[in-house]
Amino acid sequence: DSGVTQTPKHLITATGQRVTLRCSPRSGDLSVYWYQQSLDQGLQFLIQYYNGEERAKGNILERFSAQQFPDLHSELNLSSLELGDSALYFCASSLELSSDTQYFGPGTRLTVL
Amino acid sequence: QQQVKQSPQSLIVQKGGISIINCAYENTAFDYFPWYQQFPGKGPALLIAIRPDVSEKKEGRFTISFNKSAKQFSLHIMDSQPGDSATYFCAAVDQTGANNLFFGTGTRLTVIP
Repeated sequence: DSGVTQTPKHLITATGQRVTLRCSPRSGDLSVYWYQQSLDQGLQFLIQYYNGEERAKGNILERFSAQQFPDLHSELNLSSLELGDSALYFCASSLELSSDTQYFGPGTRLTVL
Repeated sequence: QQQVKQSPQSLIVQKGGISIINCAYENTAFDYFPWYQQFPGKGPALLIAIRPDVSEKKEGRFTISFNKSAKQFSLHIMDSQPGDSATYFCAAVDQTGANNLFFGTGTRLTVIP
């Protein structure tokens, strides 16, 4: 158990809908990362937050957004969902901005029908 | 554009054999190279990592070999066990930059008894 929790575990929704994925980092970790894992794209970095502020963006679509709250939990919002958004979404956390180890949560499996 | 190339895609090894997974990168700014292990239904977990100032790092049955001039690194699993059956991802990070992980495409390892 990495200490990173993600909810929900599974999410099934329809095209055009909006969903919110939630992540609680390990106790004391200030940095949160979101990654998407799909069969065709592999594991790809989406966005990083550190202590409430956005610090880096990867291949994140404009329809997706995230935030980190004062209690350090993070939410990833996915809107106008398309079939191609079906994937596993992982949250990872690390102690500091440039920490070596990122600890991954168990992921949220999103299925868009 | 895949920043880290990984091969093979899948690997079948007999129990007690050596499993070898190879990765290559282009970005010379990468300064940290972790390997992650992922079991079905779980998030990736850090297995072992290396920095480019050393050519080899060993932890138990797992060894990373690093060739800075060739921009290649590999994971060797000695005395492979059925419990090692998982998907392995190499990754690279520019820790002076965004610190996000660039993952290889993954290798599905199956160790047969």
